[in-house]
Amino acid sequence: DTAVSQTPKYLVTQMGNDKSIKCEQNLGHDTMYWYKQDSKKFLKIMFSYNNKELIINETVPNRFSPKSPDKAHLNLHINSLELGDSAVYFCASSQGLAGGVNIQYFGAGTRLSVL
Amino acid sequence: SQQGEEDPQALSIQEGENATMNCSYKTSINNLQWYRQNSGRGLVHLILIRSNEREKHSGRLRVTLDTSKKSSSLLITASRAADTASYFCATAPQAAGNKLTFGGGTRVLVKP
Repeated sequence: DTAVSQTPKYLVTQMGNDKSIKCEQNLGHDTMYWYKQDSKKFLKIMFSYNNKELIINETVPNRFSPKSPDKAHLNLHINSLELGDSAVYFCASSQGLAGGVNIQYFGAGTRLSVL
Repeated sequence: SQQGEEDPQALSIQEGENATMNCSYKTSINNLQWYRQNSGRGLVHLILIRSNEREKHSGRLRVTLDTSKKSSSLLITASRAADTASYFCATAPQAAGNKLTFGGGTRVLVKP
């Protein structure tokens, strides 16, 4: 069974559209994350939720809105898509800071192309 | 700039050779982790070293940490074609909670 699964795997859309990416983890973890990986492979944290509560909110345009209906799900909605939003978006989860350790488990990524 | 910066950005070696990559960071950390990313896939955790540790081994992987120099190295011994991937270091800064900060990665190509 896939531990962290995100859908869709590929997303091609026009500028100005609104789209959502879904993520689910079956690891029983308390914390989930969204990352953006650009064309140069830099991976940047966008958001993190712990038990449905937002705990990390980096400098991200407010067109991006995360939603966590329960601790196993973290979705990402993007309004008014722009060309610069084209990237690979990764969902991840972790068991929080048990023992001061935060090992993260990643989904396979969603490759977003904005035309 | 990135909290963790890997060096070199790219590395090409023959199967059987060792691959070494380095990571430098800026702030005090609780631990440092290395992840691997195969092409088109998500990151996979490889190994974690705590700030009070200097060296750690896991199979063919050897990680060192020098907190005085704020640097770490990852050594892959006896490389295989399947080791071809990008390798990222991730730092867990003190007082940063659950946040990990990733570097830009080292792309390793192991030629058969």
